[in-house]
Amino acid sequence: AQKVTQAQTEISVVEKEDVTLDCVYETRDTTYYLFWYKQPPSGELVFLIRRNSFDEQNEISGRYSWNFQKSTSSFNFTITASQVVDSAVYFCALSEPYNYGQNFVFGPGTRLSVLP
Amino acid sequence: EPEVTQTPSHQVTQMGQEVILRCVPISNHLYFYWYRQILGQKVEFLVSFYNNEISEKSEIFDDQFSVERPDGSNFTLKIRSTKLEDSAMYFCASRATGTSGFSYEQYFGPGTRLTVT
Repeated sequence: AQKVTQAQTEISVVEKEDVTLDCVYETRDTTYYLFWYKQPPSGELVFLIRRNSFDEQNEISGRYSWNFQKSTSSFNFTITASQVVDSAVYFCALSEPYNYGQNFVFGPGTRLSVLP
Repeated sequence: EPEVTQTPSHQVTQMGQEVILRCVPISNHLYFYWYRQILGQKVEFLVSFYNNEISEKSEIFDDQFSVERPDGSNFTLKIRSTKLEDSAMYFCASRATGTSGFSYEQYFGPGTRLTVT
């Protein structure tokens, strides 16, 4: 069965600090896809990144970076030099291509508060 | 940039009433989804829709729920007889298809906040 765990319920940091959000997943499939979404206070879900299970290269996009490790079933997200605008709930999600509808299983989310 | 739109942004209804939540997916997308998020909780899958039929549904999506694509652009979620516990944010999402079963990211609408009183 699919499962996504985000053990950190809430994190508070001071602006300019680095912060890492953890995501651990469970799946029986060897091929799957992982995602991070941001939900700012306005409520919408904003796509941040997709990672395929066969591509373990880490990715950097500006202040954001992602560390994918299949050996530990983790897909962690780091924000460098955090800013107040990064304050949001961040969701990690898993999708399996052989699940016909390819729906997402979301983690419970981590609420990040960046204080000025 | 194309986006998923949802109407209304907020719907208040009385218990037992029927509601229809509307979504316009991104025009060249072929997979459509509804998710819900009870306040402060995680986003939960309700149903996926492809080729004019439901492809998968969760345990939450019981007989009081239905989906429809009445024309080439709209995708609706109907709740026949609302209950207090249906109060939540409902998100519509759509996804492009790719070759070889690739799972592209889902793009979410802004959500409809349903309040059942």
